[in-house]
Amino acid sequence: AQRVTQPEKLLSVFKGAPVELKCNYSYSGSPELFWYVQYSRQRLQLLLRHISRESIKGFTADLNKGETSFHLKKPFAQEEDSAMYYCALKGGSSNTGKLIFGQGTTLQVKP
Amino acid sequence: DGGITQSPKYLFRKEGQNVTLSCEQNLNHDAMYWYRQDPGQGLRLIYYSQIVNDFQKGDIAEGYSVSREKKESFPLTVTSAQKNPTAFYLCASSPASASYNEQFFGPGTRLTVL
Repeated sequence: AQRVTQPEKLLSVFKGAPVELKCNYSYSGSPELFWYVQYSRQRLQLLLRHISRESIKGFTADLNKGETSFHLKKPFAQEEDSAMYYCALKGGSSNTGKLIFGQGTTLQVKP
Repeated sequence: DGGITQSPKYLFRKEGQNVTLSCEQNLNHDAMYWYRQDPGQGLRLIYYSQIVNDFQKGDIAEGYSVSREKKESFPLTVTSAQKNPTAFYLCASSPASASYNEQFFGPGTRLTVL
């Protein structure tokens, strides 16, 4: 079964501390993974995708096929990083854009 | 602010009534999606459409219906058969359904059944 698991509902850190939001997936093929973010009173938007191997707003995420994980990391958290973060897996056959989302993790960065 | 719009922002419905949520996009995207967002459950796919006049059921389609008569519009009807319709509904679109295309989300509609 195709599934995305984010084990933490809430992650609370102090400003300047490292952050790691966990994401594990279950998928039989070659996965396509994404992180979406929803800031307060804003729309859900793409943060980064694994294929791009990019760093956005200081966040990075590495696909680990052995551990079936795609954890989101940032070395020094900022207050403006406070938001809801969703890990997503492109599911279904290769010709559909269906996304399977995890349950979401609320990141709270305290001053 | 163009892109993808949803209306209304808030919707109240009496039990037993059908209600239709609007989703419009001016991005010329082929694919459109409807998700339901519940606390602690993330987003779950209700229906999606890859092209005009065609759509497929998602994971939780029961009690919902959609149409895709125009490329820019993908309305969702919540029927009286939906047992627990109170939720936040998100519409999204993407340039094409394949590959690593980003999905663009609307602002959402919060539906409350009274």
